[in-house]
Amino acid sequence: DTEVTQTPKHLVMGMTNKKSLKCEQHMGHRAMYWYKQKAKKPPELMFVYSYEKLSINESVPSRFSPECPNSSLLNLHLHALQPEDSALYLCASSQDGISGYEQYFGPGTRLTVT
Amino acid sequence: AQSVTQPDIHITVSEGASLELRCNYSYGATPYLFWYVQSPGQGLQLLLKYFSGDTLVQGIKGFEAEFKRSQSSFNLRKPSVHWSDAAEYFCAVGARGFQKLVFGTGTRLLVSP
Repeated sequence: DTEVTQTPKHLVMGMTNKKSLKCEQHMGHRAMYWYKQKAKKPPELMFVYSYEKLSINESVPSRFSPECPNSSLLNLHLHALQPEDSALYLCASSQDGISGYEQYFGPGTRLTVT
Repeated sequence: AQSVTQPDIHITVSEGASLELRCNYSYGATPYLFWYVQSPGQGLQLLLKYFSGDTLVQGIKGFEAEFKRSQSSFNLRKPSVHWSDAAEYFCAVGARGFQKLVFGTGTRLLVSP
């Protein structure tokens, strides 16, 4: 099973709201990733967790706050977002974030900020 | 620094015709190379990967890719395209010891009847 699940599929939020995106995998992977993808563009890496520790933050604004409660779960907490943050947010996981194993992606959460 | 170039933004292929999508990478050592496919509004699905060994790799859905070190290329091929292959295709490069994938800008494949 190479499935990564993400909830919700769609999210509409105002600029003053607080919401969270959730990602889950049951493949025993120890690395998990958040990407942001704008229309007609490739995914852009935001965060990497390796063995439940934040290992990469690609200078993402603090209004995005990642959390890795355990090796199967990854959350992205959203607060005071801007309309330009509207995008498809993709979660991915890999066996080991250090050795360059392939990443498996979830279906994404389509976020609209109004 | 690693980089990936996909020179074709759009490609249109007739159903049943062969397909080749181009990918060139820049990296000093032996890279890890991937091809992903994305249907509209969906996540990315891994088609195939190259880490080492045989330079011709087979993937899912009848796709294959050939690693050519001398040309710094990793082109994706399919002998006969189906209408369901219409999607965005991304080439990506990773490096041993690094957690980051670098994606190309993507090639949109259109399949005509």
